[in-house]
Amino acid sequence: AQSVTQLDSHVSVSEGTPVLLRCNYSSSYSPSLFWYVQHPNKGLQLLLKYTSAATLVKGINGFEAEFKKSETSFHLTKPSAHMSDAAEYFCVVSGETGRRALTFGSGTRLQVQP
Amino acid sequence: KAGVTQTPRYLIKTRGQQVTLSCSPISGHRSVSWYQQTPGQGLQFLFEYFSETQRNKGNFPGRFSGRQFSNSRSEMNVSTLELGDSALYLCASSPGTGMNTGELFFGEGSRLTVL
Repeated sequence: AQSVTQLDSHVSVSEGTPVLLRCNYSSSYSPSLFWYVQHPNKGLQLLLKYTSAATLVKGINGFEAEFKKSETSFHLTKPSAHMSDAAEYFCVVSGETGRRALTFGSGTRLQVQP
Repeated sequence: KAGVTQTPRYLIKTRGQQVTLSCSPISGHRSVSWYQQTPGQGLQFLFEYFSETQRNKGNFPGRFSGRQFSNSRSEMNVSTLELGDSALYLCASSPGTGMNTGELFFGEGSRLTVL
């Protein structure tokens, strides 16, 4: 079975400082991994995806994530937080071979202080 | 290109009633999936439809059902509503079988309150 764990339910940073949102996954197969963002009262938007190509993945709005198989991690980072980054972020793992369900993490709420 | 449209955006029902939610995917997208989002359980997969066929189903009771039409529009229905069904119901579309690629385009959701 596959699973994903977001290690922090809330993260608070100051504007202009780095962002780190942590995600660990478990999968019996080589997974595809994604980060989605959800702003208040909105649907989810794909930030970036890893699908077994380059381990460092660049996404929209300056975000990037690094796939580390040895650590089973897929942490999301951004060098400098902006007020507009305040939102909830979801780490997602794709289905194993023959199974196609996506598994969502519990989410990390990012607060950005002025 | 218009995004995923969900209607209604907000609705209030009472226990025992039923509700139908609608989702119009992005033009050209053939896959539609549905998710329930609650503060306690987070995001949970309900089901996915592709070309009018249910491809995957999550772990929800039979009161939750869905369908997809030939124009890819989808509806989900919840019968005999319970208080615990109060949630934001999100629809997502993708060009292919979205559950394979993970690249989903979400609507803004339908917020259901059950009293």
